Amino acid sequence: EDKVVQSPLSLVVHEGDTVTLNCSYEVTNFRSLLWYKQEKKAPTFLFMLTSSGIEKKSGRLSSILDKKELFSILNITATQTGDSAVYLCAVSDSWGKLQFGAGTQVVVTP
Amino acid sequence: GAVVSQHPSRVICKSGTSVKIECRSLDFQATTMFWYRQFPKQSLMLMATSNEGSKATYEQGVEKDKFLINHASLTLSTLTVTSAHPEDSSFYICSAQPGQGAVYGYTFGSGTRLTVV
Repeated sequence: EDKVVQSPLSLVVHEGDTVTLNCSYEVTNFRSLLWYKQEKKAPTFLFMLTSSGIEKKSGRLSSILDKKELFSILNITATQTGDSAVYLCAVSDSWGKLQFGAGTQVVVTP
Repeated sequence: GAVVSQHPSRVICKSGTSVKIECRSLDFQATTMFWYRQFPKQSLMLMATSNEGSKATYEQGVEKDKFLINHASLTLSTLTVTSAHPEDSSFYICSAQPGQGAVYGYTFGSGTRLTVV
């Protein structure tokens, strides 16, 4: 059975800290892994990863995929209170369906 | 670019009535759209895949007669919750993938918070 597992489920950090979020998966017909940030409404797209070992960066956020070990990490450096959100990992299969992990709730305190 | 518009954003309806939710791709054509449901404190669960010009594909455990999906054009998919009950109260959200999605991944609508009273 396909599954996407995120860890930790939640964490609380102070502003300025670095956080690392994990996502492991077992999905047949893997096409890509995506990271989203969800605050109050719809998830907003962060990254899409299809190749192993190539880090993607956007400001203080970065992510990398390991297709051999079947996992990805999302790093947030110099965290700010605006980074507080649920971070969702999703895996796309060859038909375009997304399977989501349970998410990691990140709380950044001032 | 790559905007998906979803309406309404919030709806309250009486038990037994039907509610229609619209999902539009504003600046791209989407032959396939996806409908998800999210209960409080839980992740998004795929309900069905909406295919333009053909029948939707439903995930296991999702009643196709209760959640009617119509994808009549390349920019519009609708989800109708029929004979709604309080347990159908949830956050419903659609998504579509513009082109090959190489840059945008999958774009989500803003979601619809349905409350059945």
